[in-house]
Amino acid sequence: DAGVIQSPRHEVTEMGQEVTLRCKPISGHNSLFWYRQTMMRGLELLIYFNNNVPIDDSGMPEDRFSAKMPNASFSTLKIQPSEPRDSAVYFCASSTEVRQSSNYGYTFGSGTRLTVV
Amino acid sequence: TQLLEQSPQFLSIQEGENLTVYCNSSSVFSSLQWYRQEPGEGPVLLVTVVTGGEVKKLKRLTFQFGDARKDSSLHITAAQPGDTGLYLCAGANNAGKSTFGDGTTLTVKP
Repeated sequence: DAGVIQSPRHEVTEMGQEVTLRCKPISGHNSLFWYRQTMMRGLELLIYFNNNVPIDDSGMPEDRFSAKMPNASFSTLKIQPSEPRDSAVYFCASSTEVRQSSNYGYTFGSGTRLTVV
Repeated sequence: TQLLEQSPQFLSIQEGENLTVYCNSSSVFSSLQWYRQEPGEGPVLLVTVVTGGEVKKLKRLTFQFGDARKDSSLHITAAQPGDTGLYLCAGANNAGKSTFGDGTTLTVKP
């Protein structure tokens, strides 16, 4: 099993440009999570999907952020337009179905380090 | 919002020493996970605890879930340089959603 695969590993872009981050979860995992990690705020949950359906997007900072999961093996997180304060490491994680009292932990990808200049 | 406080924030020790890090909250969790994260990588799951008072051992690491399921501790015996990293706890609510603490950065010097 190759684990959770994220691409790209590093992204440097100019302010105002569109950025798309990609994630392939572990096969058979039907919950997928997007997190953002910064020194100041730690790991923040942005959005999560269950069976390809967005369940909770309350952590998405603003309308510039959007996420999709068109099928069980692929998800994207898009920022348009990007701003310097979006600079962070973005992680994707997957898990077997998350439901009441049965969260047994997540498998994280290696992350995408985004720098917006 | 469920808040998790981890302490200490930073810990630097010599190889062979023992240490304990703590994860505390005023909220009750249905389960709690501990992760270790190394620079440039994502967090890696170490353990999940579910039952109040539960103790789990993973080689030199001992994890305990508080009786009231509001807190947890991680004890490392005879720390080694390979234990260096960021240790994160994450508490899950009844909907299965996890909230992460800010982490403890551990440095073990040879």
